[in-house]
Amino acid sequence: EVQLVESGGGLVQPGRSLKLSCAASGFTFSNYYMAWVRQAPKKGLEWVATISTSGSRTYYPDSVKGRFTISRDNAKSSLYLQMNSLKSEDTATYYCARRGNLNWFAYWGQGTLVTVSS
Amino acid sequence: DIQMTQSPASLSASLGETVTIECRASEDIYNGLAWYQQKPGKSPQLLIYNANSLHTGVPSRFSGSGSGTQYSLKINSLQSEDVASYFCQQYYDYPPTFGSGTKLEIK
Repeated sequence: EVQLVESGGGLVQPGRSLKLSCAASGFTFSNYYMAWVRQAPKKGLEWVATISTSGSRTYYPDSVKGRFTISRDNAKSSLYLQMNSLKSEDTATYYCARRGNLNWFAYWGQGTLVTVSS
Repeated sequence: DIQMTQSPASLSASLGETVTIECRASEDIYNGLAWYQQKPGKSPQLLIYNANSLHTGVPSRFSGSGSGTQYSLKINSLQSEDVASYFCQQYYDYPPTFGSGTKLEIK
């Protein structure tokens, strides 16, 4: 069974940094592209980042490019999201997701809440 | 970015009914469309990909169709466990973008 378990969320002040983690199990982690998707409270879904199987290629929307960094450790079956210069509009539940053959999101974790507020 | 317009925003239907949710893309997405179900307090779950392919374990009462810029999700024989929000997502082009969601309730 595919399992994705996020951690690292919490309350952080604007301008500060936070690093999210996602522990994967139930599949061969190194074979799949992985992604982060977020959802602001009572709002829709927004794709945040995608990383290739080796980690050599990363993709971001303009809203987080230059501030967020996605990475992975295939030996530990873990995915990460380093978030710098956080803004109030980054407040959301962040989901780790396993990508499908193309850019759909086949499996999702339970999410971790990030609140950016002074 | 490709804009995804979903309708209706909310929907109320009776048990056993058939419901349809629509999604329109701002340009042709060549069947690069997925549908997700998000039950209250839970994470989204994939239902459909490639516009009409059913994800593993998804009941056959869910189906997807469409082409070009117009796509739809149909739920046959509505059941109580189908109460959820439904989102479409295009992945034909970067960035992947989502519709704003349809909240489905039981009448």
